[in-house]
Amino acid sequence: AQSVAQPEDQVNVAEGNPLTVKCTYSVSGNPYLFWYVQYPNRGLQFLLKYITGDNLVKGSYGFEAEFNKSQTSFHLKKPSALVSDSALYFCAVREPNQAGTALIFGKGTTLSVSS
Amino acid sequence: GAVVSQHPSWVICKSGTSVKIECRSLDFQATTMFWYRQFPKQSLMLMATSNEGSKATYEQGVEKDKFLINHASLTLSTLTVTSAHPEDSSFYICSASRQLQSTEAFFGQGTRLTVV
Repeated sequence: AQSVAQPEDQVNVAEGNPLTVKCTYSVSGNPYLFWYVQYPNRGLQFLLKYITGDNLVKGSYGFEAEFNKSQTSFHLKKPSALVSDSALYFCAVREPNQAGTALIFGKGTTLSVSS
Repeated sequence: GAVVSQHPSWVICKSGTSVKIECRSLDFQATTMFWYRQFPKQSLMLMATSNEGSKATYEQGVEKDKFLINHASLTLSTLTVTSAHPEDSSFYICSASRQLQSTEAFFGQGTRLTVV
């Protein structure tokens, strides 16, 4: 069965410093991988996805993620964090070629950026 | 494009009453919609998959008679929480995928349900 792990409940970083939010996955074949961000009492906003192609994926708001097949990871990164990046981040996976199936989410990581 | 609208954003109801939550895809047709439930500071748990014109598929442990899902058109799915109890209080989120182009899902704003 497919699954996603976000090993950190919370990540703290100072504004201007680089940030990394970790994600590992377990799925048969080549997965579809996603990152979403959620602000309090709001729905999820799409940040980026990996389907195929370049392992480094660039997304919204300066975020990027690197697909690493050997380590089954898809860590979210940003070179310089902003206080406004503070939110709850979810990594998600979908089985390849399963267009009508739901995303499976990790438990989420709270990012806190201090000024 | 790819906007999913969920209504209401929040609702307070009395125990024993029913509440309907709507999920609309505003600018695309969605053959499949998904309903998730999120507890505070926790992940999204899939409740059911809603397919237009057919019965919803519920995840294990989700009471289909309590959480009624209707997907009558390609742009609207509804979740009705019947005979609500305080333990049903939660954040409910819907998502939708485009027909034939569904590598990603688009999410509604969520509905905060409080049962008193």
